[in-house]
Amino acid sequence: KNEVEQSPQNLTAQEGEFITINCSYSVGISALHWLQQHPGGGIVSLFMLSSGKKKHGRLIATINIQEKHSSLHITASHPRDSAVYICAVRNYGGSQGNLIFGKGTKLSVKP
Amino acid sequence: EAEVAQSPRYKITEKSQAVAFWCDPISGHATLYWYRQILGQGPELLVQFQDESVVDDSQLPKDRFSAERLKGVDSTLKIQPAELGDSAMYLCASSTGTGAYGYTFGSGTRLTVV
Repeated sequence: KNEVEQSPQNLTAQEGEFITINCSYSVGISALHWLQQHPGGGIVSLFMLSSGKKKHGRLIATINIQEKHSSLHITASHPRDSAVYICAVRNYGGSQGNLIFGKGTKLSVKP
Repeated sequence: EAEVAQSPRYKITEKSQAVAFWCDPISGHATLYWYRQILGQGPELLVQFQDESVVDDSQLPKDRFSAERLKGVDSTLKIQPAELGDSAMYLCASSTGTGAYGYTFGSGTRLTVV
């Protein structure tokens, strides 16, 4: 079983829809990251969370430490949001600072 | 805005040849990471540096891969000889340290071994 699980693996939405991507993890963490990867490969860090909720524009990220679960929400989705969204956690055990990545959620927003 | 620089952006090489990738982290970031991402998978750590020292290279295939960060600034990852299974995206990231610190990723090097 992977230490970081994301769902869904693939998601297709119509422009304007509200989107939720979920991440569950099984290790103790010091932080959780939500990352965006566009075709072509570069990764952009969207959020880093250790508790609560963060908002940036149309993106909202929440984390529940007790339940070991995080969600990424996109409001009023747009075709330019099409990308792979990756959840990654920094755990206390193992190499300090190393991230453990989920396999990503591929989002496609249709106009 | 400060960024992690990587080069080349794309590389095609023949099997058994040597290939090298370069990464320049954000100034002042002591920790540098090299990740390998196979298509459809999440990145996996190859090597982690703290300044010029290797902190973790347990997943680095040391028979063919090597990494260095001689002055604790930029870093080079080398593969010799390259194999078909090495085709992947190689990502570099840097951070200020451990704990709840932010990461910055480079744009990656897409390697294709033919």
